[in-house]
Amino acid sequence: DAKTTQPPSMDCAEGRAANLPCNHSTISGNEYVYWYRQIHSQGPQYIIHGLKNNETNEMASLIITEDRKSSTLILPHATLRDTAVYYCIVRVAGGTSYGKLTFGQGTILTVHP
Amino acid sequence: DTGVSQDPRHKITKRGQNVTFRCDPISEHNRLYWYRQTLGQGPEFLTYFQNEAQLEKSRLLSDRFSAERPKGSFSTLEIQRTEQGDSAMYLCASSLRHNYGYTFGSGTRLTVV
Repeated sequence: DAKTTQPPSMDCAEGRAANLPCNHSTISGNEYVYWYRQIHSQGPQYIIHGLKNNETNEMASLIITEDRKSSTLILPHATLRDTAVYYCIVRVAGGTSYGKLTFGQGTILTVHP
Repeated sequence: DTGVSQDPRHKITKRGQNVTFRCDPISEHNRLYWYRQTLGQGPEFLTYFQNEAQLEKSRLLSDRFSAERPKGSFSTLEIQRTEQGDSAMYLCASSLRHNYGYTFGSGTRLTVV
């Protein structure tokens, strides 16, 4: 699976949009981009995933660049409860390692009042 | 649907003892995963089941670790002759399909003293 690069930390004001970047320059054509977050002392929570089209759900939007080498997770109106570690993961949708998510260090997002 | 349940939430054991953790996945999910997370790190993949078949194992899963999923329902993770380095959060996740988001449990925190 392709490696990802994320900033170690970011801050955001409550009510504003949080834009979390992720670089995955070695991504291959059959690899999806997944985002998870982990609030302190809880298990990771799935947020969203996509292959090449932008995606939106009730939690967030995922913007993938046309060359697929980077993506941005957007939390449109951040709240204090969005303070968490956000992980960007790239993985193949099939094959022999389809059970495995490779978590990096993630981005610690702190939402301030 | 009550989510993924893990039991116990916390376990303190003496070095050399055996411990067993249980995971109950979401009932219709046929895929089940075990991860381990140490302080300050992202989760690391341990093993993966599709129904009752264990299809993938990480090199992290030494001979002292064994996982089962009888009848393709709940799963157990046993650690024999625990060592202090086994102290970690053990996370279980389940999914319906391999390219869907995973649902994680809250984990079992193991402390080996």
